[in-house]
Amino acid sequence: DAGVTQSPTHLIKTRGQHVTLRCSPISGHKSVSWYQQVLGQGPQFIFQYYEKEERGRGNFPDRFSARQFPNYSSELNVNALLLGDSALYLCASSRDSGKEKLFFGSGTQLSVL
Amino acid sequence: KQEVTQIPAALSVPEGENLVLNCSFTDSAIYNLQWFRQDPGKGLTSLLLIQSSQREQTSGRLNASLDKSSGRSTLYIAASQPGDSATYLCAVTDAGNNRKLIWGLGTSLAVNP
Repeated sequence: DAGVTQSPTHLIKTRGQHVTLRCSPISGHKSVSWYQQVLGQGPQFIFQYYEKEERGRGNFPDRFSARQFPNYSSELNVNALLLGDSALYLCASSRDSGKEKLFFGSGTQLSVL
Repeated sequence: KQEVTQIPAALSVPEGENLVLNCSFTDSAIYNLQWFRQDPGKGLTSLLLIQSSQREQTSGRLNASLDKSSGRSTLYIAASQPGDSATYLCAVTDAGNNRKLIWGLGTSLAVNP
């Protein structure tokens, strides 16, 4: 069985650009969450989607948005990139919306220059 | 506001030692607590999930306990091996509507041959 897959694995952008990160959950999982992890820090919650609806949002500016598709895959979009957006972006999936074990992808390493 | 603290921040031990990693949280209103492992530049691997009604979970050489009333969890690693070297993160699932994970900063473990 395939695990959580994220693409791309690495990305280099310049300030002001836009980026789209993609995530495919484990088959049968309906919940997808996005986290930002800055080097040396724990992950910070960005969004959670369950059955294509937003179930939670962290303390991130409106430049960050996400959506979940009918096949439960998800995209995270970041507009007007800042240097401080450089981080590892992690996607996690689970069967339900919060009580079960989370399975993480390997992440997308975003560098903003 | 839920806060998660992990002690120690870093740990270096010789191979074969039994060791304990500590996690504390400020608000006992949680759904569950999870322990994760993260290798450098990689995503997270869920090790153990303890529901709020449970006291402990075991997987191989790993044992995690939960004392919700005192806001503490420990991860016990028996007979440590060099392959156990990684960062270990503790996260609680907030019992509010968000159900987001609140993370500690992790314990960086080095097991020396």
